[in-house]
This record gives sequence, structure tokens and C-alpha cells, in this order.
Amino acid sequence: DTEVTQTPKHLVMGMTNKKSLKCEQHMGHRAMYWYKQKAKKPPELMFVYSYEKLSINESVPSRFSPECPNSSLLNLHLHALQPEDSALYLCASSQAQLATNEKLFFGSGTQLSVL
Amino acid sequence: GDSVTQMEGPVTLSEEAFLTINCTYTATGYPSLFWYVQYPGEGLQLLLKATKADDKGSNKGFEATYRKETTSFHLEKGSVQVSDSAVYFCALSDRGGGADGLTFGKGTHLIIQP
Repeated sequence: DTEVTQTPKHLVMGMTNKKSLKCEQHMGHRAMYWYKQKAKKPPELMFVYSYEKLSINESVPSRFSPECPNSSLLNLHLHALQPEDSALYLCASSQAQLATNEKLFFGSGTQLSVL
Repeated sequence: GDSVTQMEGPVTLSEEAFLTINCTYTATGYPSLFWYVQYPGEGLQLLLKATKADDKGSNKGFEATYRKETTSFHLEKGSVQVSDSAVYFCALSDRGGGADGLTFGKGTHLIIQP
């Protein structure tokens, strides 16, 4: 199994809603990442978990709250989002926190629309 | 800081044409270099990589050579197909033992016409 699975594929939410994005991998990877990608732009790193501990938070607003319940799962909890948060949210994993020759495995993403 | 510069598209070619997508980088250390491809509605997939100077990465007919002297990692393919239509991202990882992700270029949208 060389897949990173993200659910849901599409999500529409209002600014007062609370929702969660989920990511799962069964490759034994110990590093997991959340990226945000706006249309026609490159992915931007949000969070990195290494061995289930948050190691990188790229100054992401607190309305985004990551969680890593175990080594296979990564969640992103969303609360009180703004329309400008609408984007493709990509999860990725790697065997360890990215060394210079590591490969990232990406999921297909969750397309989020905030109304 | 680290950065990646690549030609912005869209790049439109006819099927069987020769493809070059330019990519140059700046980095403080000795980065590894990557090309990722993103098909419509999907996440990114690693296309090829090179970890040191003069390495050539290759996959699915695509090639790129790590040129330290010109700080470049240009992507080439001898004969493109319609199925190659996608967005291509050049990226680098320059984190040594304390890695925290990839630095991406802005992406090049490639359109191949039959």
C-alpha cells in the first residue's frame, strides 16, 4: 500500500462551522505533513508531524488545528474559517522527517470551499 | 533563503514535440532536487529526483540533470504525449538532518495538443 488517503475529497462549509479533514497512510511513515494549495499556486507547508509530535507550525492561524492521534492518521480541525481559506488541502507523508533525499507521498487532497 | 524559479506557463506544445521546462534554484547547502507532477484534481506525484551534482533523474521518458555550476535542474522529454498535460513543480530540499518540507517553484502548466 503506497497511498495516502484523504477524506473528504470535497468540503463546503460556512464560516461558523466546525469540520475536520482526515488523512491516513499505512506505509509505516513517521512524518506527516499538511500543505495548502491555492489555485495555480505551489503547495505551501502548514504543519509537520514527526513521530506523532508537532515539529513545524508555519505560523498558521489558530482556526486550523492539527492532530496526529497515531502514526497512521493525521487530522486537520477547522473552525471559524474565512472565505480566503478556500483551497486544496494536501496531506503528505515520508519515512522520516524529510532528509535531503526523501520522497514525499501526497494524497489527492480535499478541495475546501468556505462560504 | 532557499528558492526555486521555474518558467511559468501555460506552455502549449503539439504531441511528439520536444519539451524543456527550465528550473533554477538558490540554496545555502547541498540540496536534493525534485520534479513533481500534478494532474487535474489530484495531489502531487514525484516524477524524478537527483540528490547530488551531475546526477540525472529519469522516469517515464522525462529527464533532468542536476547542474551545480548553473544551479539548474531543467526538465526535458523528447516526445510529449497528450497524457503529459499537467502542472509540473520543481522543488528542492535543503534541510540536512533537520528537514521540514520542500521548497516549490510556482509550477508550470503544460498543455499538449493532439
